[in-house]
Amino acid sequence: AQRVTQPEKLLSVFKGAPVELKCNYSYSGSPELFWYVQYSRQRLQLLLRHISRESIKGFTADLNKGETSFHLKKPFAQEEDSAMYYCALISLFSGGYNKLIFGAGTRLAVHP
Amino acid sequence: GAGVSQSPSNKVTEKGKDVELRCDPISGHTALYWYRQRLGQGLEFLIYFQGNSAPDKSGLPSDRFSAERTGESVSTLTIQRTQQEDSAVYLCASSFRQGAYSSNTGELFFGEGSRLTVL
Repeated sequence: AQRVTQPEKLLSVFKGAPVELKCNYSYSGSPELFWYVQYSRQRLQLLLRHISRESIKGFTADLNKGETSFHLKKPFAQEEDSAMYYCALISLFSGGYNKLIFGAGTRLAVHP
Repeated sequence: GAGVSQSPSNKVTEKGKDVELRCDPISGHTALYWYRQRLGQGLEFLIYFQGNSAPDKSGLPSDRFSAERTGESVSTLTIQRTQQEDSAVYLCASSFRQGAYSSNTGELFFGEGSRLTVL
């Protein structure tokens, strides 16, 4: 079964410290993975997708198929990074449509 | 408007009453999703629409939950005989298309949610 696991409910760090938000997935095919972010009082929005190999707001995420992981990393956390982060997986269903499956989310708290 | 719009933003109801939650997706978006977010928990998939059809209703928790979409636009999520465990934020999201190799695949645009409290 397709599944996304985010083992940490809360990650608390100090400003300037490195951050790694963990995400592991279970998927039989070739996965497409994403990170979504929800800042306080804002809508859930796409942060980055693995296929783009992009760095957004200093965050990067590398797909590791051997470890079935897609951890989100940032070398130096900022207070404005405090938010709820969701890892998500595209699951291809018969009929050609896709469904986005989300992990439980990790709340990142960056302290001054 | 430019974004996904949901109403009401807040709904308090008594156990046993029916509620309707509305979603106006971004114009032209053919895919529409409903998710539920209980306090302290992740996003729980409820139902997916492609156009007016719902090829995946697997996330609806019971037959008290139903949803429809008309005109490939507005969607309504109805919860009958509400229970306290239905209390949650109900999120709607839309997407331009959901083809297997679409460059837009995976980017969902979310509304602000409807917070339902069942007393």
